[in-house]
Amino acid sequence: DQQVKQNSPSLSVQEGRISILNCDYTNSMFDYFLWYKKYPAEGPTFLISISSIKDKNEDGRFTVFLNKSAKHLSLHIVPSQPGDSAVYFCAASASNAGNMLTFGGGTRLMVKP
Amino acid sequence: EAGVAQSPRYKIIEKRQSVAFWCNPISGHATLYWYQQILGQGPKLLIQFQNNGVVDDSQLPKDRFSAERLKGVDSTLKIQPAKLEDSAVYLCASRPGTGGSYDGYTFGSGTRLTVV
Repeated sequence: DQQVKQNSPSLSVQEGRISILNCDYTNSMFDYFLWYKKYPAEGPTFLISISSIKDKNEDGRFTVFLNKSAKHLSLHIVPSQPGDSAVYFCAASASNAGNMLTFGGGTRLMVKP
Repeated sequence: EAGVAQSPRYKIIEKRQSVAFWCNPISGHATLYWYQQILGQGPKLLIQFQNNGVVDDSQLPKDRFSAERLKGVDSTLKIQPAKLEDSAVYLCASRPGTGGSYDGYTFGSGTRLTVV
């Protein structure tokens, strides 16, 4: 049972345009959500997070939106840059479950110059 | 601050052989995790330690996988005997405490295991 899903395995956008990466979850106990970025041969690095008490969190070019009723979150990157090309993982956690992270399958973003 | 160190970076073994991976977390980090990432999938938690105690090993295939963190610092993950489906990147992560904050939750670069 995949509790966190990223239904788009890949996404290609033009430099300067908006990138929108989507994530859906099924476990209503999840109360904290994170996005990680992963380059080849490196471990995932933390990008941005959001608590379930919020519906939006912004950090520079990155904004995460949370729709609890739809159990859906998205990551917006504006403007996209070639250096943003990487695999992006959505992760979720329940505070009553030891803060372990449940990851989605990832979306490979390619930003074309 | 040094990051999470893992070794080796790569390992190729034949099925039914044994293998061990090592992780040295960031100094002072109480919580340590091992994740398995199969190609094309997201990381999946295998085991979580708090200091030298196991918090969660419900997804660890205990018939062949074992892990320890004897002194509450570095950790080893062992597979014996390995199967073809164990081919994956094994990621170690650590974070300072056990509370709700994810500040400082840091991954190592991983060990890529290929079982042939």
